[in-house]
Amino acid sequence: AQSVSQHNHHVILSEAASLELGCNYSYGGTVNLFWYVQYPGQHLQLLLKYFSGDPLVKGIKGFEAEFIKSKFSFNLRKPSVQWSDTAEYFCAVTARSGNTPLVFGKGTRLSVIA
Amino acid sequence: GAGVSQSPSNKVTEKGKDVELRCDPISGHTALYWYRQSLGQGLEFLIYFQGNSAPDKSGLPSDRFSAERTGGSVSTLTIQRTQQEDSAVYLCASSFMGAGGAGELFFGEGSRLTVL
Repeated sequence: AQSVSQHNHHVILSEAASLELGCNYSYGGTVNLFWYVQYPGQHLQLLLKYFSGDPLVKGIKGFEAEFIKSKFSFNLRKPSVQWSDTAEYFCAVTARSGNTPLVFGKGTRLSVIA
Repeated sequence: GAGVSQSPSNKVTEKGKDVELRCDPISGHTALYWYRQSLGQGLEFLIYFQGNSAPDKSGLPSDRFSAERTGGSVSTLTIQRTQQEDSAVYLCASSFMGAGGAGELFFGEGSRLTVL
């Protein structure tokens, strides 16, 4: 079965700082990878996803993530965060084959201070 | 509807009572998922439906939990004899494709359950 580890529970950054949130997954086969975001008081929404092809994927609001297969990682990055990026970020994985549900990490809370 | 709709948005119940949580997915979405979100625990998978059948019930925490889906649309999650540890936000999501099919999950606002 798949599992996902997010290394940081809570990250606090000043505006304009660069962001990198770690995500490692455990699964031996081919996977699809996702980052979801939950802004305060809102529902979860998709930030970006990787299925195949270019391992550097770009999402909404200037976010990007890089799939490094050898490291089983899918870290999320943003060069310059804004106060509005304050949210909880969830990494998720599903096996490409078969009927397996999306497995989420425990989430990383990002607080951006002015 | 325009999005995934869940009801009730908030439910406070006494220990030992049964509760039903409802999810109305996006029209045309074949797959439906239930997750539980607890503080510091992330999203815990409960059950997944493809159409009306549930290929994966592995996440249901105990036999007090059950779920059904009818007409390939609305789903109900039932928790019998609720316990305090059942307190959480129960999230429903739907997608056009099934698990592994790389379909994006669209989440509802969740049902916050508090068991006193």
